[in-house]
Amino acid sequence: DTGVSQDPRHKITKRGQNVTFRCDPISEHNRLYWYRQTLGQGPEFLTYFQNEAQLEKSRLLSDRFSAERPKGSFSTLEIQRTEQGDSAMYLCASSTQLLPTDTQYFGPGTRLTVL
Amino acid sequence: AQSVAQPEDQVNVAEGNPLTVKCTYSVSGNPYLFWYVQYPNRGLQFLLKYITGDNLVKGSYGFEAEFNKSQTSFHLKKPSALVSDSALYFCAVRDKDDKIIFGKGTRLHILP
Repeated sequence: DTGVSQDPRHKITKRGQNVTFRCDPISEHNRLYWYRQTLGQGPEFLTYFQNEAQLEKSRLLSDRFSAERPKGSFSTLEIQRTEQGDSAMYLCASSTQLLPTDTQYFGPGTRLTVL
Repeated sequence: AQSVAQPEDQVNVAEGNPLTVKCTYSVSGNPYLFWYVQYPNRGLQFLLKYITGDNLVKGSYGFEAEFNKSQTSFHLKKPSALVSDSALYFCAVRDKDDKIIFGKGTRLHILP
């Protein structure tokens, strides 16, 4: 399977714990995006990378959130001191950015539940 | 800022009938518009996109969308609905810096 993969698919944690999610993009894609989707809403942009550079962060991304893409391949999203409001589906997408209109392809998501 | 609106939270269609899922947009500059579908506990699957050219865009699974500049709409259509089309559909627009702005989604129910 050469699509976008995410790990884990589900994560249940207690409030105050740290969690880390991983995203592996399609291999030739140099852009990688993180989105968050809460129940009944469309996905909302969090941040994106071009190769290893983080180019933009949404105001939704509080100081407790950090994302990395150290070698320009896979990316991690860490949430420190989780809160119940962090419960959501975290989606990763990738694209080639050869053209400004390239399609973003999404992974299956990681569903986070904070108790 | 770019935005899209999906005026219907839910659409019910009988199997075999044509379906339409509505979307209107607000953009500055050229609109780059997308439709994605989400099945339960799954990520988003790309259906189709409008960049330029023909106003009727054909996509995956028999879906198509009609771009209407005067009405600022990009409605998703399919001539004959299948029960397996039941899912959550998102209209989206590309913002500056390539991030995507999604609508709230429309839940499509195809009734057997």
